[in-house]
Amino acid sequence: EPEVTQTPSHQVTQMGQEVILRCVPISNHLYFYWYRQILGQKVEFLVSFYNNEISEKSEIFDDQFSVERPDGSNFTLKIRSTKLEDSAMYFCASSESRFGTQYFGPGTRLLVL
Amino acid sequence: AQTVTQSQPEMSVQEAETVTLSCTYDTSENNYYLFWYKQPPSRQMILVIRQEAYKQQNATENRFSVNFQKAAKSFSLKISDSQLGDTAMYFCAFLYPQGGSEKLVFGKGTKLTVNP
Repeated sequence: EPEVTQTPSHQVTQMGQEVILRCVPISNHLYFYWYRQILGQKVEFLVSFYNNEISEKSEIFDDQFSVERPDGSNFTLKIRSTKLEDSAMYFCASSESRFGTQYFGPGTRLLVL
Repeated sequence: AQTVTQSQPEMSVQEAETVTLSCTYDTSENNYYLFWYKQPPSRQMILVIRQEAYKQQNATENRFSVNFQKAAKSFSLKISDSQLGDTAMYFCAFLYPQGGSEKLVFGKGTKLTVNP
């Protein structure tokens, strides 16, 4: 069964450093999402992406964040200058249609020191 | 804004028994989707079940079924014949297409432990 994959599974970085989280969505899916989950808290929406454009973003998704689909398979989330409060689990998701079921990847656990 | 409430932070059940997890939501809209996702200790988010609000019939997936009460804005998940592998956090989530938003709105989750 096709699945969303994410790399790396864990990342430790120093405050102020840039990180890039990578995702490979399910191959025939066209809509891509990033969510995050701070430990012990609910899952929060960050951004949705379609046709090489951001279609929706949350208040969390400020100028420090960016997303890109650099090729036909990868979907990336970049945090330009990480803060301690960016420590969280970051989930990528994809769906076949705009309001279709979103399938999640296994997540990247980011720790900012 | 739509909100999702899961009033049971933790629950436990004996293996092979049945357990029901509660979820309520707040919306004034008529057409939306509801989901249950499972997050085992590995922390991967796994889709359990999906319900379209316009469908009166409750969704089922093997041992998992929902009790969707639209008027009461309630969407509970029933797990029958609980197995040890069902131990996980369970999140209820809401999607409102007609508002133009693609984002899933999640509840805080219920931690379910299945005991041998």
